[in-house]
Amino acid sequence: DTGVSQNPRHKITKRGQNVTFRCDPISEHNRLYWYRQTLGQGPEFLTYFQNEAQLEKSRLLSDRFSAERPKGSFSTLEIQRTEQGDSAMYLCASSWDREETQYFGPGTRLLVL
Amino acid sequence: AQTVTQSQPEMSVQEAETVTLSCTYDTSENNYYLFWYKQPPSRQMILVIRQEAYKQQNATENRFSVNFQKAAKSFSLKISDSQLGDTAMYFCAFMDRMDSSYKLIFGSGTRLLVRP
Repeated sequence: DTGVSQNPRHKITKRGQNVTFRCDPISEHNRLYWYRQTLGQGPEFLTYFQNEAQLEKSRLLSDRFSAERPKGSFSTLEIQRTEQGDSAMYLCASSWDREETQYFGPGTRLLVL
Repeated sequence: AQTVTQSQPEMSVQEAETVTLSCTYDTSENNYYLFWYKQPPSRQMILVIRQEAYKQQNATENRFSVNFQKAAKSFSLKISDSQLGDTAMYFCAFMDRMDSSYKLIFGSGTRLLVRP
């Protein structure tokens, strides 16, 4: 069990560009979560997958954001036409269906210039 | 909507001493979990301790224990015999078991510095 991994760890982009982040959950964890953490704040829920189905999206997830989890394994989070307000740490977490504890990845830190 | 409040942005403690971090929450639900997560500098968030709301007994994990006051909606974390490796951001989090997503609602965190 290698834990939750996220790539890239850091991303610097210019405003208006598209970015994509990847999350590899702990194998056999069927629940996968994306959170966003801005400086000085706790993580905020963005979206949740059970297997390949995206079952809930926060109102924080604007139309520019899209997430996928093909085949119920890894997940991607894409931000189109990035804005400076998108600068944050994007955290991924996974859990087993009957387990309340979520296991977090190291996060992807995004800076939009 | 549920909310979680951590009123101490920063705390410091001398190595080997005891420190208590505060957390209050607001919910109308009865079936929920509470968590304390630790986020060391530039490292990933890890679970410290969790408490099931229907259990009256306070959870303990080695040097970490909680004081869960359900009526007061308070969930404080006590760290005994503080170690330098305890230096981190600590987040209190709430999970509504009736919410099928099991998503976490976090407080704003408390930065703990353990001084040598």
